[in-house]
Order: sequence, then C-alpha cells, then structure tokens
Amino acid sequence: ILNVEQSPQSLHVQEGDSTNFTCSFPSSNFYALHWYRWETAKSPEALFVMTLNGDEKKKGRISATLNTKEGYSYLYIKGSQPEDSATYLCALRDSNYQLIWGAGTKLIIKP
Amino acid sequence: DAGVTQSPTHLIKTRGQQVTLRCSPKSGHDTVSWYQQALGQGPQFIFQYYEEEERQRGNFPDRFSGHQFPNYSSELNVNALLLGDSALYLCASSLGGADAFFGQGTRLTVV
Repeated sequence: ILNVEQSPQSLHVQEGDSTNFTCSFPSSNFYALHWYRWETAKSPEALFVMTLNGDEKKKGRISATLNTKEGYSYLYIKGSQPEDSATYLCALRDSNYQLIWGAGTKLIIKP
Repeated sequence: DAGVTQSPTHLIKTRGQQVTLRCSPKSGHDTVSWYQQALGQGPQFIFQYYEEEERQRGNFPDRFSGHQFPNYSSELNVNALLLGDSALYLCASSLGGADAFFGQGTRLTVV
C-alpha cells in the first residue's frame, strides 16, 4: 500500500525568500507523482506530473524534482510572493489511476 | 469551458439522512473520481467511474455509492449519514483516468 508523507505540515516564509518542501514515499511502485497547488475556496490546480527518476520540472518560479530511488520529491519556490500562499499537495498515481495523497504543506508568505 | 463543476457547494444534513452530491466533468472527459477530504488530511479516494461503471473503489463502506450517466456526469450518494462523514467531497475528471482536473468541492456537514 502506497503511503505519502509531506513535510513540513506548515511553513511561514518571508516574501522574497526561497523555500522548499518534501514529499516522501516508501515505494517506487507508482505510475506518476503529481504536485497540486490548492488555494482556499478554489479547486486544486495541477502543477507538475513526473514519472521518471531524475525528472525535473519548472513553471516560472516553481520547480520540482523526483528521486524514486530514495523515495522523495522536492518542490522549490524561488523568491516567494504573497500569491504563492496555498496548500501544496503531492499525490502518487498508481496503475489503477487512483491518486494517493499526502496531507499537504500549508505555505504562508509574510509580506 | 466551465471545467469541473460540483453542486451544491455547501450542505448540512442530519445523522441518518441520505445525501446526493453531483459532478459535471470537464468537457471531453469520460472518467470521474470522487475523493473525501477530512479536516487536516489529504483527500482519500472513494471510487472512480468510467463508461457508467465503477472501475475502482477505495476503502469506503457500502453506504457510499455512485452513478455515472451517459453524459459522463456523476453522483455520489451517501446513506445513513454519520457525524464522521462531515468533510469536503472533491470530484475530479479525466480522460481515461490520467491527469485529473478538480472541482471546488462540496462541503458536507452532518449534525
């Protein structure tokens, strides 16, 4: 059974600082790893999908890496802005198309 | 394209009652998945519908049932509501079960 852990649970970052957080999983037996950004009262927004060990994806100031051998993915935000405040969720997609989610990292950017 | 739409947005029910939540998928999508997110946790997979049949099911009791219509819209039914069923219920649509787009969710409160 896949289990997804995210750390930290919450994070306060000063505007302009860079930050990163972790998604860890005990097994590489999954089809893809997804990162979602979820603002309060909105729909989760897909950020990245990664499948291969060593994958790196970038979207503006946000990037992500995947290490399936050691069982983790990092999400990086460079030069945090207030609009980056959200909960960031990672999820593993198994071969049955189920998404198995972590509990998320709540990011708060302090102006 | 309206994306994934869910109704209602909020709902209050009494213990023992039954509830029906509705989801319209993104245009062109044929697969609908339902998730339950309790406070402070990541979403938990309930089930997935494809071609009007339940394709996958998570670890939820039979009180949770669903349906998919020929136009790919879907309903989630919960019978004999318990206080613990209070949660945000998310619907996600995809084409064949791959990358998912989410609705804003239905907040169910059982009193």
